Amino acid sequence: KNEVEQSPQNLTAQEGEFITINCSYSVGISALHWLQQHPGGGIVSLFMLSSGKKKHGRLIATINIQEKHSSLHITASHPRDSAVYICAVSPLSNTGNQFYFGTGTSLTVIP
Amino acid sequence: GAGVSQSPSNKVTEKGKDVELRCDPISGHTALYWYRQSLGQGLEFLIYFQGNSAPDKSGLPSDRFSAERTGGSVSTLTIQRTQQEDSAVYLCASSPRGASGGGEQYFGPGTRLTVT
Repeated sequence: KNEVEQSPQNLTAQEGEFITINCSYSVGISALHWLQQHPGGGIVSLFMLSSGKKKHGRLIATINIQEKHSSLHITASHPRDSAVYICAVSPLSNTGNQFYFGTGTSLTVIP
Repeated sequence: GAGVSQSPSNKVTEKGKDVELRCDPISGHTALYWYRQSLGQGLEFLIYFQGNSAPDKSGLPSDRFSAERTGGSVSTLTIQRTQQEDSAVYLCASSPRGASGGGEQYFGPGTRLTVT
């Protein structure tokens, strides 16, 4: 059983569309992270949040701690947004001090 | 400032050979993680270092895998007697505080290992 579940696994959108990627987790957390991985590229941290909402450009991340759920939204999507988006959490009780990762959502934005 | 660096960026080796992968974390980051990512798969935790504490080796897949972190900075992941199933991208990440401290991870570009 994965502590972090993402949906959808794959997503194809037309340029300009509004995109939502969902993340659910089953453990208490101190923080949730959204990461971006371009094909053949490294992993970049987009957001770290523990409550409410954060916005950076066309990207918005929200979290509902009570429901153990987070969403990543992309407004006015562009082909350069095509990447794998990964949700990760920092668990509250974590003797191994590990991050738990979702399996990622592969996004393709078509011009 | 400088980010996390890894070397080599690509490594092709013959089955049965040993390989060493290097990670230079961000200066001052006390936590260092190694992950493996097989083609089309998610991140697989391998090992974690935090300061001078004993490392968390719970993710190492076999005793052919080992890692060390010298002086609380540079880390080396060693794979002995490589097998074809070891082919993957090996990613290193550092963090100022680690997961339990709510710290962010900063990832290196990875080393793509191919075992022929």
